[in-house]
Amino acid sequence: AQSVAQPEDQVNVAEGNPLTVKCTYSVSGNPYLFWYVQYPNRGLQFLLKYITGDNLVKGSYGFEAEFNKSQTSFHLKKPSALVSDSALYFCAALSYGNNRLAFGKGNQVVVIP
Amino acid sequence: DAGVTQSPTHLIKTRGQQVTLRCSPKSGHDTVSWYQQALGQGPQFIFQYYEEEERQRGNFPDRFSGHQFPNYSSELNVNALLLGDSALYLCASSFPRVPDTQYFGPGTRLTVL
Repeated sequence: AQSVAQPEDQVNVAEGNPLTVKCTYSVSGNPYLFWYVQYPNRGLQFLLKYITGDNLVKGSYGFEAEFNKSQTSFHLKKPSALVSDSALYFCAALSYGNNRLAFGKGNQVVVIP
Repeated sequence: DAGVTQSPTHLIKTRGQQVTLRCSPKSGHDTVSWYQQALGQGPQFIFQYYEEEERQRGNFPDRFSGHQFPNYSSELNVNALLLGDSALYLCASSFPRVPDTQYFGPGTRLTVL
């Protein structure tokens, strides 16, 4: 079974500063990793995914994520945070042959003007 | 290109009642997954439908059942509602290959009184 951990409940960052949201995973076999963002009273919006290849994945709205196999991590990053990035961020994982997403508990990101 | 749509947006029921939620997948997708997101939690996988059959099922009781129609749309049915069934119910669509990105609808907010 796969599982995902997001160790921080909330991340506060000043506008214009770098943003990092942490995620670690436990997956049998090769992991397939995803980041989604959720705005209040909305569904999940897909940001980016890692399937194979380059460890640095670029996604929507200037976000990127770095896959680190040795540390079983997939941290989400943005070089310069915007107030509009304030939202709930979820990391999720699939394992080969298993099409059910396992989600972390989510991280609330607050970007302070 | 139409995204994933869900209806209704909000629903209020009382304990013991039954509810049906509906989902239309993103254009071109033929696989539908359902997730339950309790307040302050990450989404939990309920089940997945492909070719009108349940392919995978999460750890949910038999009170939760589903259906997929020939046009790939899907229904989630919950019988004998409990207070603990209050949650945001999310539908996601994708292709059946693993891994594939799941795209989410806006969700149905179910409140059980």
